[in-house]
Amino acid sequence: EAGVAQSPRYKIIEKRQSVAFWCNPISGHATLYWYQQILGQGPKLLIQFQNNGVVDDSQLPKDRFSAERLKGVDSTLKIQPAKLEDSAVYLCASSLQNSYEQYFGPGTRLTVT
Amino acid sequence: DQQVKQNSPSLSVQEGRISILNCDYTNSMFDYFLWYKKYPAEGPTFLISISSIKDKNEDGRFTVFLNKSAKHLSLHIVPSQPGDSAVYFCALYSGGGADGLTFGKGTHLIIQP
Repeated sequence: EAGVAQSPRYKIIEKRQSVAFWCNPISGHATLYWYQQILGQGPKLLIQFQNNGVVDDSQLPKDRFSAERLKGVDSTLKIQPAKLEDSAVYLCASSLQNSYEQYFGPGTRLTVT
Repeated sequence: DQQVKQNSPSLSVQEGRISILNCDYTNSMFDYFLWYKKYPAEGPTFLISISSIKDKNEDGRFTVFLNKSAKHLSLHIVPSQPGDSAVYFCALYSGGGADGLTFGKGTHLIIQP
């Protein structure tokens, strides 16, 4: 069974630029999550999708972050404009509906200079 | 305000001995308590869980203990093996639709030969 795929694996941008991350969840997983992991911290939930609908985006900085999951499969997370404090690993995870067991992708390491 | 605290950033244990990782939480609303393991440049992987109605769950070398009155969770690994060297995250799940996990900062476990 293929795992959660993410791209790119690494990205370096300057502040005020925009960036987008892509995630392909495990086939059949209705629930998709984006987490932000800052160095030395645990992952923090940004947004949760159930199929193509948003369930929880209470911790998403909506002035600069946006995410979508068209057709209920792949998802993209965008940051525009980026700030220095956005430097982090962005993790995508998926799960079956109402399951605590989440499967994580390898993450995208973003460096904002 | 941290809901999940892992107060030991790192722990060094000799191969073959017992590793004990600890986690404290502040909110009693969670249904499941989880441990995730993370290797460098990879996403976290699910290790073991315990329901809020139990006080112990065992899976091979891994045992998780839950003390609800003390709001304390621990992971025991025995015997410890070199492949156990990783960062371990305590994570809490409340379910009910908003299924995002609440993570601690992690403990870096180092198994010494």
